Amino acid sequence: EDQVTQSPEALRLQEGESSSLNCSYTVSGLRGLFWYRQDPGKGPEFLFTLYSAGEEKEKERLKATLTKKESFLHITAPKPEDSATYLCAVQASGNTGKLIFGQGTTLQVKP
Amino acid sequence: EPEVTQTPSHQVTQMGQEVILRCVPISNHLYFYWYRQILGQKVEFLVSFYNNEISEKSEIFDDQFSVERPDGSNFTLKIRSTKLEDSAMYFCASRGIGSQPQHFGDGTRLSIL
Repeated sequence: EDQVTQSPEALRLQEGESSSLNCSYTVSGLRGLFWYRQDPGKGPEFLFTLYSAGEEKEKERLKATLTKKESFLHITAPKPEDSATYLCAVQASGNTGKLIFGQGTTLQVKP
Repeated sequence: EPEVTQTPSHQVTQMGQEVILRCVPISNHLYFYWYRQILGQKVEFLVSFYNNEISEKSEIFDDQFSVERPDGSNFTLKIRSTKLEDSAMYFCASRGIGSQPQHFGDGTRLSIL
C-alpha cells in the first residue's frame, strides 16, 4: 500500500536556526514527490516537485532533496513568516494524478 | 497569478440534506480533483476527473457523492444525503498537462449538524 510518513509532527525553531523536515514514502513506482505549504484556513500552496533520486530544488530559504525512500525539506536561517504546516505528497506511476499526503509537519519559527 | 477558487468558504447543513460545493479551476487546466481533510487528519483523495468523466475515485467516494463539470468552467462536488462524518474541509485542485503540479483552492469548510 502506498504510504507517506512525515516527521517530526511539530517543530519549533528560533529565527535563524536551520533544520530539516523528513518525508518517508513507500509507493509502487514514484511519478513525483511534491512539497506544499499550508497556512491556517488555507489550501496547500505548491512549493516543489522532485522526480528522481538525487534531485534537488531550491527556493529562497527552502531546499528539497530526494532519495529512493525519503525526501528532506531543509530550511536555512528561517524567519517567522516561514511558520506553516509543510505537507509532503507522492504520486504513484500509472494512475490519474492522485496525490497521497503525509500528515504534515507544523513549523513554528519564533523571533 | 491564476488560482483555483472555491465557494462557499463555509457551509453549514443539517444531516440528511444535499450540499453542492463549487470550484472554478484554473482556466487552461484539464485535470480536476477533490480532496478532503477532516480536522487534525491527513488530506485524503476523493476523486479525479478528466475529459468529462471520473478517472479514479477512492473508497470514500461512495454513491452519496457525485461530481460534475456543468459548463466548462465550474467543477462541483455534490453530497446527496449528508452525514455527521462528512464534516471536513473540502479542497478542489486542478493541473495542466504532463507532470505539472496540482494547484489547490482555499477549501470549503463543511459542517454537518
